[in-house]
Amino acid sequence: AQSVTQLDSHVSVSEGTPVLLRCNYSSSYSPSLFWYVQHPNKGLQLLLKYTSAATLVKGINGFEAEFKKSETSFHLTKPSAHMSDAAEYFCVVTAGGSQGNLIFGKGTKLSVKP
Amino acid sequence: DTEVTQTPKHLVMGMTNKKSLKCEQHMGHRAMYWYKQKAKKPPELMFVYSYEKLSINESVPSRFSPECPNSSLLNLHLHALQPEDSALYLCASSQVSGGAGEQFFGPGTRLTVL
Repeated sequence: AQSVTQLDSHVSVSEGTPVLLRCNYSSSYSPSLFWYVQHPNKGLQLLLKYTSAATLVKGINGFEAEFKKSETSFHLTKPSAHMSDAAEYFCVVTAGGSQGNLIFGKGTKLSVKP
Repeated sequence: DTEVTQTPKHLVMGMTNKKSLKCEQHMGHRAMYWYKQKAKKPPELMFVYSYEKLSINESVPSRFSPECPNSSLLNLHLHALQPEDSALYLCASSQVSGGAGEQFFGPGTRLTVL
């Protein structure tokens, strides 16, 4: 069965410093992995996706993630945090099978201090 | 057009009311989804429609009744809801159900049941 674990429920950084949001996954086959962002009272926006092409995936707003099969990780990074990055971030894996359901991590709340 | 729209943005209803949530996409996607999201939690899948047919019902109470009139529209009919049904209801779509494709989310409807 597929699952994701987001290792931190809350991450706080200062504006201009690097961001690291950690995600480990478990999958019985080659997974598709996503990071979504949700700003307060908004829907989810896709930041980036991994679908077995390049292991380093670049997304929107300067975010990127690296798929590491040996570590079963898909951590999200950004070199320099901006105040507008403050939001909830979800690491997501496809459930497999014919339905394409998504399995969500519990989320990491990113706070950015001025 | 890469947008999923949802109406209304906010809805307040009593336990005896009947109301409907509406979702629309014009990306030619053939899979559409309803999720329920409680505060500080990830979205929970409720229903999946694939080619306008209900393919997954995640044991949702019958007071929630989905409908897919055509490939662009998805409704969620609400009747005799309970206060614990208050949540953010998210609609999503994807090219097809299954596979590695991402889901595109709407902004959600914030539902309050009094």
